[in-house]
Order: sequence, then C-alpha cells, then structure tokens
Amino acid sequence: DAGVTQSPTHLIKTRGQHVTLRCSPISGHKSVSWYQQVLGQGPQFIFQYYEKEERGRGNFPDRFSARQFPNYSSELNVNALLLGDSALYLCASSVGQNSGNTIYFGEGSWLTVV
Amino acid sequence: DQQVKQNSPSLSVQEGRISILNCDYTNSMFDYFLWYKKYPAEGPTFLISISSIKDKNEDGRFTVFLNKSAKHLSLHIVPSQPGDSAVYFCAASAAAGTYKYIFGTGTRLKVLA
Repeated sequence: DAGVTQSPTHLIKTRGQHVTLRCSPISGHKSVSWYQQVLGQGPQFIFQYYEKEERGRGNFPDRFSARQFPNYSSELNVNALLLGDSALYLCASSVGQNSGNTIYFGEGSWLTVV
Repeated sequence: DQQVKQNSPSLSVQEGRISILNCDYTNSMFDYFLWYKKYPAEGPTFLISISSIKDKNEDGRFTVFLNKSAKHLSLHIVPSQPGDSAVYFCAASAAAGTYKYIFGTGTRLKVLA
C-alpha cells in the first residue's frame, strides 16, 4: 500500500518567488495536515484540511495557503518567499480530523530559498 | 511557549540495553500522544501512541508510559538495536476543537554496537 506521497522532494527558489507543494494521502484517509520543520526543531503545524475544508491553521502568515481536492490530495502554496521559509515541508494524513487520530507523514519536500 | 518539551537533546546507549526517552508537556488538555522516529532525509515514522485514558501501551520492543499527574511520558526501547539510532519526537494533541499536534524538539538516540 502506498503511503503519503509528496512532490517535489527537493527544490530551490529565489526570494520573492512562489512555490506549490503537493501531497497525496494514504488511500482512505480524508484528512491532510501540513507541517514545517526547520533544522533542530520539531515539526510546526501549518494547516489541517478535512473533507476539503480548512479545519485548523497554525501561526503562519497569510503568504501560506493550502487547499484540498475532491480526491483528498492537497497543495500547499507559499507566496513571496523569504529566506526563513527554507525548511522541510511535511504532509501528513489521517483517517479523521480529531485528536485520537494518528497522523502518518510523507518523506517531505525540502525547500531552499536563496 | 514550548508546550511539549524533550529536555535531552541526545542519548547514547549500548546495544541490547534499554533506551528511555522522555517528554514533558504543560497543557493538561492534551489527551493523545504519539512518538515518531526520524532518520536524516526522511519523513517521521510513526512508532506508538497512547491515549490519556491509559498509562501504558506496548508494541513489540516499544513501550510508552504516561504519567498524567506529572504531565510526563516516556518511550522505552528494549532491547536497543543499532538501527534504532535516529531522532525521536513526541507529539501531543488536545480534545475536539483543535486539529494540530504539538511536537517536541526531538532527542537524538545513538545505539552503540
């Protein structure tokens, strides 16, 4: 069975550019969450989507946005990239949306902003 | 404000011995806890979970203990193997109304052969 898949795996962008990261959840999972992990820190929550609706947002600026599609895949968009956006972006999927649901991570997308 | 803390950045253990990784939290509303293992250049891999209605959960070599009064959980790995060398993260979530997991900063475990 396929796990959570993310693309691209690595990318380099210039300050001010825009980036789109993609995620396909585990089959049967309806919830997708996005996390940002910078070196030396644990993952930080960005968004959760369930049944195509945003159900939670972390403490990130409006430059960050996301959406979930009818097939439950998801995109994370970041506009006006800053050097500080360089990080590992992790997508996680779960069956449901609430506490008590284990989230399973993909391999991540490594973003470098230069 | 770090609601989930892993105060030991690193830990070294001999192969075959027990590894104990600790995690403390401050939010009494947290009711579900997860442990993940992360190798370099990979995403976190789920290891084991525990609900606040339990104080212990076991899965093979991995056991998680939860002490709600102390707001403390620990992951025991017995026996430790060199392949267990990785960074371990604990994560916590609260009851309905919040949809996020709060992660600790991780503990790097090195199992010495």
